Amino acid sequence: RKEVEQDPGPFNVPEGATVAFNCTYSNSASQSFFWYRQDCRKEPKLLMSVYSSGNEDGRFTAQLNRASQYISLLIRDSKLSDSATYLCVVILSGAGSYQLTFGKGTKLSVIP
Amino acid sequence: SQTIHQWPATLVQPVGSPLSLECTVEGTSNPNLYWYRQAAGRGLQLLFYSVGIGQISSEVPQNLSASRPQDRQFILSSKKLLLSDSGFYLCAWRAFRTETYLNYGYTFGSGTRLTVV
Repeated sequence: RKEVEQDPGPFNVPEGATVAFNCTYSNSASQSFFWYRQDCRKEPKLLMSVYSSGNEDGRFTAQLNRASQYISLLIRDSKLSDSATYLCVVILSGAGSYQLTFGKGTKLSVIP
Repeated sequence: SQTIHQWPATLVQPVGSPLSLECTVEGTSNPNLYWYRQAAGRGLQLLFYSVGIGQISSEVPQNLSASRPQDRQFILSSKKLLLSDSGFYLCAWRAFRTETYLNYGYTFGSGTRLTVV
């Protein structure tokens, strides 16, 4: 089983739609969780951390479900500029220098 | 503020040639530094990480090596490139303070797109 799994998509949604991505992780001792955004041929950039109680940043809402070992990202009122690949990232417990483990990403295309 | 620089942005190298990619960080001291590779259609793969000068840990055995000659400099090298070394190479750093990384993740450089021909 892969450590971090995501649906690769693509998710094609119209502007203004609400879209949700899920990500599952295999190690129950995982400590920290993030969503990164990667534009085509660019480096990943931190979108938001994911906190146990859930957190919101504008149109973006992240949730963590430790019991089921998944995290989610909800994007409301999608914009054309939201088109990108969204990477789920997990820090595994006992991973030495705390390196991140990345999912392969979910591609989102917001259509006019 | 902290910034991370990576160069070159693109590189085309023949099979068997050497490689040297450089990454430097500004505005912080004693960062943890990382090299990742992203092959076409695949996820990010951790290659090396370093917690200090001269300290290198390898995650994947291959013909690449890394060095950290200065606190804020991280170099990825190869003596002889293979076709399979093609990919998008990313340097990343995180602050040493535990609470910072737990909340804020990593910052990546802009990457080097390497094509081995």
